[in-house]
Amino acid sequence: TQLLEQSPQFLSIQEGENLTVYCNSSSVFSSLQWYRQEPGEGPVLLVTVVTGGEVKKLKRLTFQFGDARKDSSLHITAAQPGDTGLYLCAGYKMDSNYQLIWGAGTKLIIKP
Amino acid sequence: DAGVIQSPRHEVTEMGQEVTLRCKPISGHDYLFWYRQTMMRGLELLIYFNNNVPIDDSGMPEDRFSAKMPNASFSTLKIQPSEPRDSAVYFCASSLAGARTDTQYFGPGTRLTVL
Repeated sequence: TQLLEQSPQFLSIQEGENLTVYCNSSSVFSSLQWYRQEPGEGPVLLVTVVTGGEVKKLKRLTFQFGDARKDSSLHITAAQPGDTGLYLCAGYKMDSNYQLIWGAGTKLIIKP
Repeated sequence: DAGVIQSPRHEVTEMGQEVTLRCKPISGHDYLFWYRQTMMRGLELLIYFNNNVPIDDSGMPEDRFSAKMPNASFSTLKIQPSEPRDSAVYFCASSLAGARTDTQYFGPGTRLTVL
């Protein structure tokens, strides 16, 4: 059982559409991070959210941390083929040692 | 600045052979992590070091796996003997200081295929 559940696992949409990816848990996290991984490369950090209810924007990407710090979402507006990749959420649990807990990832394909 | 460096990028070996993966973390980073990524299991933490000392190796699958960090700029992950189920992409990552907001910086990975 994944401590961080991501949904959907796979999403294929047309360029220009909007989408939301979810990252849910029953545990509380000190912070949650979103990484993007492209084929043949390691994950690269997109954002870190720390405060419950926090919203951060990165161009067309909007990240939200749940009020209770148990969940997060990533919303992409007007998706482009360059957004294609594997999106991973990861978090530092409140009561654990210094290691990131990782979700299984959402594979996103944006078709031109 | 150079990022995390891993070698080799690809490794193909036969079952029973010894495999050694290498990693050079970002200079000045205190933490080094070894991960394994597969389609079935996603990204799994194998072991991590703080200031060259192993802190948590509970993710190491079995005694066939071992990791060392002889100094701040070099770490190895060894599999002996290797088995087909070890086939995966192995990532090394490093982070700066130990805060629960730290970014982990990943290397490009080593794709291991055990025949």
